[in-house]
Amino acid sequence: DAGVTQSPTHLIKTRGQQVTLRCSPKSGHDTVSWYQQALGQGPQFIFQYYEEEERQRGNFPDRFSGHQFPNYSSELNVNALLLGDSALYLCASSRQGYNEQFFGPGTRLTVL
Amino acid sequence: AQKVTQAQTEISVVEKEDVTLDCVYETRDTTYYLFWYKQPPSGELVFLIRRNSFDEQNEISGRYSWNFQKSTSSFNFTITASQVVDSAVYFCALSTLYNQGGKLIFGQGTELSVKP
Repeated sequence: DAGVTQSPTHLIKTRGQQVTLRCSPKSGHDTVSWYQQALGQGPQFIFQYYEEEERQRGNFPDRFSGHQFPNYSSELNVNALLLGDSALYLCASSRQGYNEQFFGPGTRLTVL
Repeated sequence: AQKVTQAQTEISVVEKEDVTLDCVYETRDTTYYLFWYKQPPSGELVFLIRRNSFDEQNEISGRYSWNFQKSTSSFNFTITASQVVDSAVYFCALSTLYNQGGKLIFGQGTELSVKP
């Protein structure tokens, strides 16, 4: 039973570019949440997707957008990258009605 | 507002020592969930435990135990007889939405270093 998978593992971009990160949830899970973790900090909630719709959103600008596909996988898009977007981006999946969220290994984004 | 505070930034112990990681939370909701996650150097957050606001029973799982006290808004985590493999960053988190796997609010984390 595969857990949560994310791709790519690492990514280097320059300021102003756009990036897409991908996440496949754990088998049987239908809800995907995205978190940003800056170095030395706890993860910060970006948004959550369920039934292909954004259901909750944290305090992140519109440059951060997402999508969920019919197979429950999800993408996180960040436009007009800033140096401050450099972080570990974590995807978590859960099942509707259950509170435990299971995390993937993350994508390390570096913006130069 | 909801908030989680982990006042201990770093803790260093010698193998076989017991260690307690502190977590204090703030919420006005009466229904909420508390979690502990472990983050090894690989980066993946590993789920350890979930506790709901209506269950104040302490829980023990092997060398791990958790003490939940609503009166002090604390949810502390103790590792008994620590081992080198316990070295990691530990996060306490709060969720105030049920039935929707609501967003997790994390503390800053406590980096535990267990030396042989």
